[in-house]
Amino acid sequence: GAVVSQHPSRVICKSGTSVKIECRSLDFQATTMFWYRQFPKKSLMLMATSNEGSKATYEQGVEKDKFLINHASLTLSTLTVTSAHPEDSSFYICSARVTGGPNEQFFGPGTRLTVL
Amino acid sequence: DAKTTQPPSMDCAEGRAANLPCNHSTISGNEYVYWYRQIHSQGPQYIIHGLKNNETNEMASLIITEDRKSSTLILPHATLRDTAVYYCIVSPRNSGNTPLVFGKGTRLSVIA
Repeated sequence: GAVVSQHPSRVICKSGTSVKIECRSLDFQATTMFWYRQFPKKSLMLMATSNEGSKATYEQGVEKDKFLINHASLTLSTLTVTSAHPEDSSFYICSARVTGGPNEQFFGPGTRLTVL
Repeated sequence: DAKTTQPPSMDCAEGRAANLPCNHSTISGNEYVYWYRQIHSQGPQYIIHGLKNNETNEMASLIITEDRKSSTLILPHATLRDTAVYYCIVSPRNSGNTPLVFGKGTRLSVIA
């Protein structure tokens, strides 16, 4: 149990386009999901906290108009990178916490975004 | 900011025990110690967590000092597949929207 999936696993896009990344909790409900970004040889950096049915909370320095987060159901959160640029190329990882459960968080496999 | 300090890298011979230390001298009374690992180009994988008692599961053992200011993750018989970055994180257990904050972790290399 406690499986989190992400789609797509890898995406290459042209500069200026938008890319949507999906994060799904497959066998549990997740009121809260988190989005992280990871650059090569660096640790995970928290981007935002996604709450079902409400606006996401963004970390300082993360542009909410560029990284749109929607958490429309208890099993799905989406991250849309709008007007992507090469500097947005990164490994994007989501995690989910079981609603009403302890703080063990379960992570998706990550999405590798490359912007040309 | 991460509240933990870990050595940047360690080597371990295959089949031997890997002991990964973590300092968390400012841990609060309601904070647990969590360990995750990340194999290259994958999402982090949960390993184990504990409050003050030692814990063991099928993956590893967690030893927490009595003053809770440090801990050690033990992989009893390391294999090549245990090569990964290991993250020690402190966080409240029932914490609503509190995210896990990752430090730099320890890069463990298991050598044949």
